[in-house]
Amino acid sequence: AQSVTQLGSHVSVSEGALVLLRCNYSSSVPPYLFWYVQYPNQGLQLLLKYTTGATLVKGINGFEAEFKKSETSFHLTKPSAHMSDAAEYFCAVSPQGGSEKLVFGKGTKLTVNP
Amino acid sequence: SAVISQKPSRDICQRGTSLTIQCQVDSQVTMMFWYRQQPGQSLTLIATANQGSEATYESGFVIDKFPISRPNLTFSTLTVSNMSPEDSSIYLCSVVGTSGLGQYFGPGTRLTVT
Repeated sequence: AQSVTQLGSHVSVSEGALVLLRCNYSSSVPPYLFWYVQYPNQGLQLLLKYTTGATLVKGINGFEAEFKKSETSFHLTKPSAHMSDAAEYFCAVSPQGGSEKLVFGKGTKLTVNP
Repeated sequence: SAVISQKPSRDICQRGTSLTIQCQVDSQVTMMFWYRQQPGQSLTLIATANQGSEATYESGFVIDKFPISRPNLTFSTLTVSNMSPEDSSIYLCSVVGTSGLGQYFGPGTRLTVT
């Protein structure tokens, strides 16, 4: 069975600072990993995904994530936070590329301070 | 990616009544899913909507409470039956992208049961 742990339900950074949102997964098969963002009162938007191949994945809005199998991690980073990045971020795992159900972490709410 | 719409976007309903939520996609998709996001929580898969056959429900969700229809490859409905305040949630549909890698979500239906 798959599971996802997001460390830190709330993360606060200053505008221009590094954003680091942590995600660890558990999977009995090679995982497919995803990060989604949810802005207030909106649905989920796919930020980026890891399937196979290159372990450093670049997504939209300047975000990237690195798949580290040895650490079972898929942390999300952005070098410089912008006010518009304030949202909730969800890490998710799927055993078969997202064509089956996604198992979500509990989410991390990012606050960006001016 | 596919454009997904949901109706209604929000509703306030009385306990004991039922609400049907529609999900429309602008292109044919093979896989469609329904998720629930309870207040302040992450997303939980309710069921996989199968075209032309009965939906596949996750543990803890039953057809009598959440009947689902999927008459074709672009449309699905989820009914929340005999509602109670505990059903107050955001309900989201998702589809698998054409690449088969990753799911894309509709904007959600925000349901409040009084």
